[in-house]
Amino acid sequence: GQQVMQIPQYQHVQEGEDFTTYCNSSTTLSNIQWYKQRPGGHPVFLIQLVKSGEVKKQKRLTFQFGEAKKNSSLHITATQTTDVGTYFCAGHSGNTGKLIFGQGTTLQVKP
Amino acid sequence: SQTIHQWPATLVQPVGSPLSLECTVEGTSNPNLYWYRQAAGRGLQLLFYSIGIDQISSEVPQNLSASRPQDRQFILSSKKLLLSDSGFYLCAWSPPTSPRGTKNTEAFFGQGTRLTVV
Repeated sequence: GQQVMQIPQYQHVQEGEDFTTYCNSSTTLSNIQWYKQRPGGHPVFLIQLVKSGEVKKQKRLTFQFGEAKKNSSLHITATQTTDVGTYFCAGHSGNTGKLIFGQGTTLQVKP
Repeated sequence: SQTIHQWPATLVQPVGSPLSLECTVEGTSNPNLYWYRQAAGRGLQLLFYSIGIDQISSEVPQNLSASRPQDRQFILSSKKLLLSDSGFYLCAWSPPTSPRGTKNTEAFFGQGTRLTVV
């Protein structure tokens, strides 16, 4: 079945350093979504990418969707302590409504 | 505006007892509905999803079941809980898939139920 893999599982950075998490799907995705979950909270939607090769930015966050629509990345420039949390990618495959999440990357930022 | 309600927030249940978690959505029609489970420090495991009343797909064979008795109501149940059923259960909804399947949008999550089976 469809699988969405995400690496790394954990990342500890010093405040001000950059951070990247990578997402790979075993099947072609109709879209890729990114969510952030703060400790003790629920996942909150960040962004959706639909087009092959699409790049979107939200302030210090840059999201990219691969040309083959099977991989994606999230890059945070100059991390801050408010960036702490777990970042998940998620994808729809086809028209089934099924939404599969990656395992998440937990980011810790040392002040 | 749309809202999602999930309850209870926390639950402690003995092994072998039944379970019923309820999730309701307001402000939308024919949503896609999802149940996920998150073990401590782990990812989101899709348990069930539903694109319509009585249309439920099961992703993981186990002692859990789901029902959708009304358009905006999604219930997760178990007849006999196991210790391994402990975890953080999240209900989510997303807008319905378009007829041509070209539009999929984000999922909105409930606050979650933290279940401890003892």
